[in-house]
Amino acid sequence: QVQLQQSGPGLVQPSQTLSLTCAISGDSVSSNTAAWNWIRQSPSRGLEWLGRTYYRSKWSNDYAVSVKSRITINPDTSKNQFSLQLNSVTPEDTAVYYCARSGYYAEWLDPWGRGTLVTVSS
Amino acid sequence: QSALTQPASVSGSPGQSITISCTGTSSDVGGYNYVSWYQQHPGKAPKLMIYDVSNRPSGVSNRFSGSKSGNTASLTISGLQAEDEADYYCCSYTSSATLVFGGGTKLTVL
Repeated sequence: QVQLQQSGPGLVQPSQTLSLTCAISGDSVSSNTAAWNWIRQSPSRGLEWLGRTYYRSKWSNDYAVSVKSRITINPDTSKNQFSLQLNSVTPEDTAVYYCARSGYYAEWLDPWGRGTLVTVSS
Repeated sequence: QSALTQPASVSGSPGQSITISCTGTSSDVGGYNYVSWYQQHPGKAPKLMIYDVSNRPSGVSNRFSGSKSGNTASLTISGLQAEDEADYYCCSYTSSATLVFGGGTKLTVL
């Protein structure tokens, strides 16, 4: 059974970098059949897919256009986890952030992490 | 990528059936059989209810079913129960190799 455990600060100052980590148990971040996603949810934006990282002979990423210039999702094979970095945050980036797994030609999200509320405020 | 269009709210009485629509374009819903549906109770993470348009994960009640016609996908819940009251979101793969969600539908069981 795959489980995802999120960690990271709940408060980030404007213009700084939001950083979150998602630790994986029951699967491998290097799996050829999985992809590792970040999604966020806010009252104003609803659920918003942010991007993913995956390994298919080499590491690749897909990112949402809305955050493409500010986002980095990286795998950490030594710790079997992946991370989210979102640069130059503003109060509009305040949201609950989730990590989730999808698959190769399996474009659904399951399971999900429990979510981390990140507030952007000085 | 614009969000998929869902009704803001639907309601039904216990035992009744309801259907939630999810409208996209030929670049997402209409172009791929990669539509999924999620149920979210307050304060909880979304839960996968339907994948690949009409498939149910193990453990999901057969009262939940999905379908698609053209650029519109639908989630039907039959035999409504109080525990079904939640927010429901559709999601689709897109031609840009991204995922896009619907705006969400609040289901009220009367």
